[in-house]
Amino acid sequence: RKEVEQDPGPFNVPEGATVAFNCTYSNSASQSFFWYRQDCRKEPKLLMSVYSSGNEDGRFTAQLNRASQYISLLIRDSKLSDSATYLCVAGRSYNTDKLIFGTGTRLQVFP
Amino acid sequence: NAGVTQTPKFRVLKTGQSMTLLCAQDMNHEYMYWYRQDPGMGLRLIHYSVGEGTTAKGEVPDGYNVSRLKKQNFLLGLESAAPSQTSVYFCASTTPGPFGTDTQYFGPGTRLTVL
Repeated sequence: RKEVEQDPGPFNVPEGATVAFNCTYSNSASQSFFWYRQDCRKEPKLLMSVYSSGNEDGRFTAQLNRASQYISLLIRDSKLSDSATYLCVAGRSYNTDKLIFGTGTRLQVFP
Repeated sequence: NAGVTQTPKFRVLKTGQSMTLLCAQDMNHEYMYWYRQDPGMGLRLIHYSVGEGTTAKGEVPDGYNVSRLKKQNFLLGLESAAPSQTSVYFCASTTPGPFGTDTQYFGPGTRLTVL
């Protein structure tokens, strides 16, 4: 079983739609969580950190459920420019020096 | 402020050849990492370093060696390239936050093909 699992997609949605991605992690000791965005043939870039209380950044909302070891990302009012692969990321353990990356969920927003 | 840079951007090798990939960061980060990314496999950690002069093995270290002689540079070496090492290689750097590693900043990647 992979340490961080994601639905690979692709998710094909029209502009303006709301789309949600889910991710599960296997290591209950993980303390830090992130969503990264990766455009085609580019490097991953941090989209947002995920906090226990949930956090929002404009059209993006991230949630963490420690009991179920589950992380989500909600994108509202999708734009064409949101088309990318979204990587779910977890720190391996408390005070870890390594991050574990999921394989990514591909989003394609169409006009 | 260039962030994280990688050299070269592309390379084609023949089986058995050797090469070194260079990663440089100008953010004074303590930690540096080398990953490979293959279709359907996601990012896999090859080696990493938590400080100048230190290195450690990641998830897939076989066939690779690394060195961190200067804080700003992290070198990845392939001693005898194999077709299975065809991949996109990313370097990343960070400075630890309250729970250990924090946001990682990635270089643009090196696309390596081994024939």
